[in-house]
Amino acid sequence: GAVVSQHPSRVICKSGTSVKIECRSLDFQATTMFWYRQFPKQSLMLMATSNEGSKATYEQGVEKDKFLINHASLTLSTLTVTSAHPEDSSFYICSFSGTGGLADTQYFGPGTRLTVL
Amino acid sequence: GENVEQHPSTLSVQEGDSAVIKCTYSDSASNYFPWYKQELGKGPQLIIDIRSNVGEKKDQRIAVTLNKTAKHFSLHITETQPEDSAVYFCAASKVGNQFYFGTGTSLTVIP
Repeated sequence: GAVVSQHPSRVICKSGTSVKIECRSLDFQATTMFWYRQFPKQSLMLMATSNEGSKATYEQGVEKDKFLINHASLTLSTLTVTSAHPEDSSFYICSFSGTGGLADTQYFGPGTRLTVL
Repeated sequence: GENVEQHPSTLSVQEGDSAVIKCTYSDSASNYFPWYKQELGKGPQLIIDIRSNVGEKKDQRIAVTLNKTAKHFSLHITETQPEDSAVYFCAASKVGNQFYFGTGTSLTVIP
């Protein structure tokens, strides 16, 4: 299957700071990317969807000015949590889907554990 | 929109026994159904998927069945091993669109 990397794997920051999470597809061109957050023992909650070169489409209730998404290229997407607060602490996971035979499914990164103090 | 329900939420089986996890979906237009395995602190990993033009798919110890009429699909794991212990998520989508995930099943395989 396709390989997706995510960096950093864990980050601890102070309230009010911004945190950037990188997501890379290592072996395929990712035309569509998704960002999820996951609270303990819960399912994945879709935050936003974006296509390369286009602005992200955010799910209802997700603040686009707080969670900045940049789908910079076919292999890189970033999520920046601006002015983070303790309630933003969560597990953030990216996923990509590709073209052709890779268009159907999503390949997930390993996730980033964000803790805001 | 689509609504996916998943049962059971927790499942414990003895090593070597079979495990079955079931999901139902609401949107008859959904045509792609993947299953993901998530280990603690890691991202979900695709383990098997099925499309609506197929009723069953098998990959070694793992199989998925789909009943389009009843709008439900199931994951079957045979000869379970301790390393199968994880949280399993089903999902439903229309190809190329967002996934709708089930609530997850925590599987524990007892040695």
